[in-house]
Amino acid sequence: DGGITQSPKYLFRKEGQNVTLSCEQNLNHDAMYWYRQDPGQGLRLIYYSQIVNDFQKGDIAEGYSVSREKKESFPLTVTSAQKNPTAFYLCASGLGNANEQFFGPGTRLTVL
Amino acid sequence: KNEVEQSPQNLTAQEGEFITINCSYSVGISALHWLQQHPGGGIVSLFMLSSGKKKHGRLIATINIQEKHSSLHITASHPRDSAVYICAVRSGRSGGGADGLTFGKGTHLIIQP
Repeated sequence: DGGITQSPKYLFRKEGQNVTLSCEQNLNHDAMYWYRQDPGQGLRLIYYSQIVNDFQKGDIAEGYSVSREKKESFPLTVTSAQKNPTAFYLCASGLGNANEQFFGPGTRLTVL
Repeated sequence: KNEVEQSPQNLTAQEGEFITINCSYSVGISALHWLQQHPGGGIVSLFMLSSGKKKHGRLIATINIQEKHSSLHITASHPRDSAVYICAVRSGRSGGGADGLTFGKGTHLIIQP
């Protein structure tokens, strides 16, 4: 089946710990994106990658890091520098250039 | 940066009713997306349009470029349509990343049986 997978669905971490969220796609899409969703707010872009080995900061990149070593994978690390990491994180992929984006099921991160 | 406003924020209706969700934006765009988010959090793309009207099953999306406004309609609504509906726009310039997508806050729709 083609699609985007994110794991885990729920993640709990202690304050001060780094945590990595997984995102994998088998849609052969060049572009991948990480969004953050908070209650009552629209999705906000954290990082995006248009091609392997290249990525760009989005609107709220502080406290986050990414890598794009493979076309299929775009992991997001939430570092201890992120002041309010508790949120719902969504990964997406697409052909880029305003084409449709396909979203993963999301990971709900809670930092205790 | 484009401002995207959706209305209403919350909508509760009875099964069978005709539903309209509105989206307005402040700056000219090249494309507008309607997305559906179910309670579990997963998001599905419903429509992408840049002009006119699109229809898929009971869903209809329209856009008026001159008025900077789009509507999403649901005919013969059903409880399974209960979800959050999100409007997103792509401006001509990057203001939200690679595709310049700016998202509305969503409309929470509940269809009661």
